[in-house]
Amino acid sequence: GDSVTQMEGPVTLSEEAFLTINCTYTATGYPSLFWYVQYPGEGLQLLLKATKADDKGSNKGFEATYRKETTSFHLEKGSVQVSDSAVYFCALSVGGNNRLAFGKGNQVVVIP
Amino acid sequence: DAGVIQSPRHEVTEMGQEVTLRCKPISGHNSLFWYRQTMMRGLELLIYFNNNVPIDDSGMPEDRFSAKMPNASFSTLKIQPSEPRDSAVYFCASSLGAFKDGYTFGSGTRLTVV
Repeated sequence: GDSVTQMEGPVTLSEEAFLTINCTYTATGYPSLFWYVQYPGEGLQLLLKATKADDKGSNKGFEATYRKETTSFHLEKGSVQVSDSAVYFCALSVGGNNRLAFGKGNQVVVIP
Repeated sequence: DAGVIQSPRHEVTEMGQEVTLRCKPISGHNSLFWYRQTMMRGLELLIYFNNNVPIDDSGMPEDRFSAKMPNASFSTLKIQPSEPRDSAVYFCASSLGAFKDGYTFGSGTRLTVV
């Protein structure tokens, strides 16, 4: 079925470093793709989205480009801050069911 | 809009007691989802409703779990009897069109069963 795969394991990096979190997807149709962020003690919040191939979603300095040829939607930020420490989830829309399928999430820890 | 509202934020109960979690979706949204999040199992979809009708409850772990949506502005998730392994954060989310806008999540209810 339709699904997303995120890279394994937490990500630890220093402040002002470049962040990449990989996300690849499997889908039978043409899904929309999303990144959600979950700060400690909070619910998931929509960070950015892209609804068709080659679209770039961006928000708060984060970017991700919908790549149909590589079935990917990698999240990037050029210079992370301590406040970006959170769990990041990739997700895609599933068929016509008004549902999303989520990846397992990546814990990002930014050290001052 | 106030967003998706969940109550209570925290719940501590004794094993064997009944627990009811509540959710008010965003007005106008026609789909509602209940998730459970734990360190071990991550984010799990328990059940979802479309236009107040349960569509898929295959994620509900046992008969001890039940969910209702009596109208478009209210849903409950009930656990009876509760067990320590039910301890988790339970999230409610709502959506009008997931393809275009994704979901909006509530802040969650942290349930501890002792």
